[in-house]
Amino acid sequence: QVQLQESGPGLVKPSQTLSLTCTVSGAPISRGSYYWSWIRQPAGKGLEWLGRIYTGGTTNYNPSLKSRVTLSADTSKNQISLQLTSVTAADTAIYYCVRDVTFGYFFDYWGQGILVTVSS
Amino acid sequence: EIVLTQSPGTLSLSPGERATLSCRGSQSFSSSYLAWYQQKPGQAPRLLISGASTRATGIPDRFTGSGSGTEFTLTIDRLEPEDFAVYYCQQYATSPRFGQGTRLEIK
Repeated sequence: QVQLQESGPGLVKPSQTLSLTCTVSGAPISRGSYYWSWIRQPAGKGLEWLGRIYTGGTTNYNPSLKSRVTLSADTSKNQISLQLTSVTAADTAIYYCVRDVTFGYFFDYWGQGILVTVSS
Repeated sequence: EIVLTQSPGTLSLSPGERATLSCRGSQSFSSSYLAWYQQKPGQAPRLLISGASTRATGIPDRFTGSGSGTEFTLTIDRLEPEDFAVYYCQQYATSPRFGQGTRLEIK
């Protein structure tokens, strides 16, 4: 059973960089034809895909956020990381780490999510 | 970019009834790229349907996905109390994108 756990600061100041880590257990992130994505959800609103990474080195980002988002992977720690620069209050949301079944075009395993608030 | 529009925004039904949720794309795409999710308060979304009609592991057969082109439907037969939640459709034909959601509430 694959499990994902997000971690990181729950409060980030405006203009700073939001940094989150997703620790995956139950399967090596480098195994299989899976990507790993981040998806966020502002309170009471819908879901927004931020980007995905394949541990082979490929990354893809939401065009609307491309210049601010960076994903990376540490296969030795079985972790995926998200960095979002120049945050504003509009970036306040629950951030989910998700296994991206790109060959199947869906997301099957989700972390519990972590609330990040952008405020001074 | 393919934008998904879900309707209705809110659906009020009673347990035992049938729910019909719609998801319309701004342009046609393969049904292979359409998935449905259920989200309950305080929880992460859960995959229900992939490829427009294939139920995920453990999903009851009361949940049926159908459609093609620009029109997709999630039907839930014989609503159970645990089915009342928010439902999202998602496309992966282009950069992944979700519909705005349909809230299924108890009447």
